[in-house]
Amino acid sequence: AQTVTQSQPEMSVQEAETVTLSCTYDTSENNYYLFWYKQPPSRQMILVIRQEAYKQQNATENRFSVNFQKAAKSFSLKISDSQLGDTAMYFCAFINNNDMRFGAGTRLTVKP
Amino acid sequence: DAGVIQSPRHEVTEMGQEVTLRCKPISGHNSLFWYRQTMMRGLELLIYFNNNVPIDDSGMPEDRFSAKMPNASFSTLKIQPSEPRDSAVYFCASTRWGSGETQYFGPGTRLLVL
Repeated sequence: AQTVTQSQPEMSVQEAETVTLSCTYDTSENNYYLFWYKQPPSRQMILVIRQEAYKQQNATENRFSVNFQKAAKSFSLKISDSQLGDTAMYFCAFINNNDMRFGAGTRLTVKP
Repeated sequence: DAGVIQSPRHEVTEMGQEVTLRCKPISGHNSLFWYRQTMMRGLELLIYFNNNVPIDDSGMPEDRFSAKMPNASFSTLKIQPSEPRDSAVYFCASTRWGSGETQYFGPGTRLLVL
């Protein structure tokens, strides 16, 4: 079975600093996709960043970047220059053939 | 694009009543997913459709839950009869199969069963 583990239930960071959220997953598949979703207090699920497993290059999206280590099955999210609006729950997700699995989430608080 | 549309946004009902949640996927998307989110169990996939056909409903908790997708632009999730433990946020998401698997979520329906 495919599983996604986020070992940090809560994290905090000072505004303008950098924070890294951890995610590991377990799968026997070779082709899959990984995602980070953000869920602010509004409950809307917002896609932050996406990574294809067959690409070695780490995905980046403005202040958000990932460190994808396929052999280690690790997919961490780095947020640079943290902003107050980044305060939210962050979910790591894995998908293969429409089988989507989410981690339990990390609650990130950005402090002024 | 309007995004995934869900209705109602909030629903309060009494135990034993029938509840119907509605979803309109993004135009052109051919896969649709229903999720449930609770504090205890996190995000759970209930069922998904490809080209309007239910593919995997193993996440549907029990026979009180049913889902339909009569056409490419509309899906329903029905709970009959509802119970307090069904209280949760229900999300609908859609994607274009083969386009990179990114699922786009609706705003969710917050259901409270008293």
